[in-house]
Amino acid sequence: SAVISQKPSRDICQRGTSLTIQCQVDSQVTMMFWYRQQPGQSLTLIATANQGSEATYESGFVIDKFPISRPNLTFSTLTVSNMSPEDSSIYLCSVFRQGNTEAFFGQGTRLTVV
Amino acid sequence: DAKTTQPPSMDCAEGRAANLPCNHSTISGNEYVYWYRQIHSQGPQYIIHGLKNNETNEMASLIITEDRKSSTLILPHATLRDTAVYYCIVRNSGGSNYKLTFGKGTLLTVNP
Repeated sequence: SAVISQKPSRDICQRGTSLTIQCQVDSQVTMMFWYRQQPGQSLTLIATANQGSEATYESGFVIDKFPISRPNLTFSTLTVSNMSPEDSSIYLCSVFRQGNTEAFFGQGTRLTVV
Repeated sequence: DAKTTQPPSMDCAEGRAANLPCNHSTISGNEYVYWYRQIHSQGPQYIIHGLKNNETNEMASLIITEDRKSSTLILPHATLRDTAVYYCIVRNSGGSNYKLTFGKGTLLTVNP
């Protein structure tokens, strides 16, 4: 398995500000993903974090709102920019490692925008 | 990836087997059936996956019908800690497609 550390675990932010969420994995991984889980809803994929290049975003998500970095094979960040109350969600990091067939998830970052 | 259909909720008595169904009638030949669960306030956890044969591990068993259009996840002796949302996901395990598409899942409530 992979041990994934997400920081912060939760935060309360003012609207109009930005929050950067970190995802650190205990070993090198092939793929890293960011998901959003709105209150009472299922998980929705935001983007694939690509090492050394721009992230690949899913329909409905844009880089200006959710800039992502992945400087190496064990670390990625997701920024939620210019936040509004609608951004209140749990944001989850997920990874795939070479040779594994299943994904591993972090515990998530619970974001509340007021 | 093929779409899946699950009942929104199920109840099970503690100590009994929990059988969670999933329909995936449009599944293609190279797509696997994966099950994950999400306990409240935690990230999803992998349970099991299979292609066409029945699979068993320390957590659960997966029964896939012969036509592969549906499957059942079995928790043989459910405990209170198995209360969670269970997601059935169909995914092409080959190539570079590592993305998971989550449906609404089934909320399993294990009652004492």
